[in-house]
Amino acid sequence: QTVVTQEPSFSVSPGGTVTLTCGLSSGSVSTSLYPSWYQQTPGQAPRTLIYSTNTRSSGVPDRFSGSILGKKAALTITGAQADDESDYYCVLYMGSGFSVFGGGTKLTVL
Amino acid sequence: EVQVLESGGGLVQPGGSLRLSCAASGFTFSSYAMTWVRQAPGKGLEWVSLISASGVSTYFADSVKGRFTISRDNSKNTVYLQMNSLRAEDTAIYYCAKPPYAHYYYGMEVWGQGTTVTVSS
Repeated sequence: QTVVTQEPSFSVSPGGTVTLTCGLSSGSVSTSLYPSWYQQTPGQAPRTLIYSTNTRSSGVPDRFSGSILGKKAALTITGAQADDESDYYCVLYMGSGFSVFGGGTKLTVL
Repeated sequence: EVQVLESGGGLVQPGGSLRLSCAASGFTFSSYAMTWVRQAPGKGLEWVSLISASGVSTYFADSVKGRFTISRDNSKNTVYLQMNSLRAEDTAIYYCAKPPYAHYYYGMEVWGQGTTVTVSS
């Protein structure tokens, strides 16, 4: 059973930088898992931020960036703003058509 | 504009069936795999199913395998999720999503607004 791990919660100060991570219960995340990141506010559909590790989706500001840090995928938000307060999900492509989401990180900006 | 629009959600009794539809526009539908993702109330996102661009290959999460089927009609730019033997734990918002690259299976780039499925007696 593949488990994708994310920090349950994180907080950042306005204007600050935060890095959220996405790992595997067993093994390392690499670009071959094509990590993607999504932002979701309550009552809204997910919004795509990053796909294929570090490609920003159309219209996403460059404050959001994706990378591999060590054994995990990472989403870095610089210059955090109040409306960045959301849930953030990563998804990894496990191959053979299957993807697995992480449990999500609730980001608080305060 | 690239769009996907889900429909077909509703209230169904345990053990019942429901068919969701996802109508796509603004891109060459027949070149893209399509994905269904769901979100139970107060819970995170869960990958449910994927269908290849041609419709020949289909994939399901273990939680729905054997109960759900996915299909598509490329002439109608529509993908379907047939849900049978529904359980209370299938209650969720169901989202349809388009990946970023044609013929690839990874990632979701464009999302619909979702359709709500409630399984309850």
